[in-house]
Amino acid sequence: DTAVSQTPKYLVTQMGNDKSIKCEQNLGHDTMYWYKQDSKKFLKIMFSYNNKELIINETVPNRFSPKSPDKAHLNLHINSLELGDSAVYFCASSPQRGEYGYTFGSGTRLTVV
Amino acid sequence: GDSVTQMEGPVTLSEEAFLTINCTYTATGYPSLFWYVQYPGEGLQLLLKATKADDKGSNKGFEATYRKETTSFHLEKGSVQVSDSAVYFCALGGSSASKIIFGSGTRLSIRP
Repeated sequence: DTAVSQTPKYLVTQMGNDKSIKCEQNLGHDTMYWYKQDSKKFLKIMFSYNNKELIINETVPNRFSPKSPDKAHLNLHINSLELGDSAVYFCASSPQRGEYGYTFGSGTRLTVV
Repeated sequence: GDSVTQMEGPVTLSEEAFLTINCTYTATGYPSLFWYVQYPGEGLQLLLKATKADDKGSNKGFEATYRKETTSFHLEKGSVQVSDSAVYFCALGGSSASKIIFGSGTRLSIRP
């Protein structure tokens, strides 16, 4: 009965590979987000979707492409992985655009070697 | 633009000590304010929130009061436990931006 679930939890891959992270929420929320947390714990928003429509696209390399097949899912695909992409990626959802707080997934630790 | 500033860590305290983690914000409009906690190896969990001026959010012995006049939302707990060791994030949302803006996080370590 996990509210926001991400898979995989850990991902180790070589430079240049393409990988995807999946996120699903069963809370009925309209808005979903991807955040990147670096080694110093700093959280930076990457993307946000509201009812499958992209509403936030921060300065992120175009190697990162989000996809939202329906409002309960927001996946993140990363092409040509680089060492600097190593981080923890968090998916989150909210009933509206941040006013009521987010529910976070448990994170995906991506390590590029 | 909107921003959140919180005290730098790490903060190390002995068990049963009093805790304050300072947080100030800059925002247009009337944002909601949040404290999130991240335990080691886990995602962020909402600890408490306040949606308007003078509201006090509280949970698990932690509390914070939304002070519009000082643009602050300091986190306090009267007697910390070892299990409170975590990273704490102050955040604001629902203002001019359609996203939550997080502070840089404060790592708290409690000694037995």
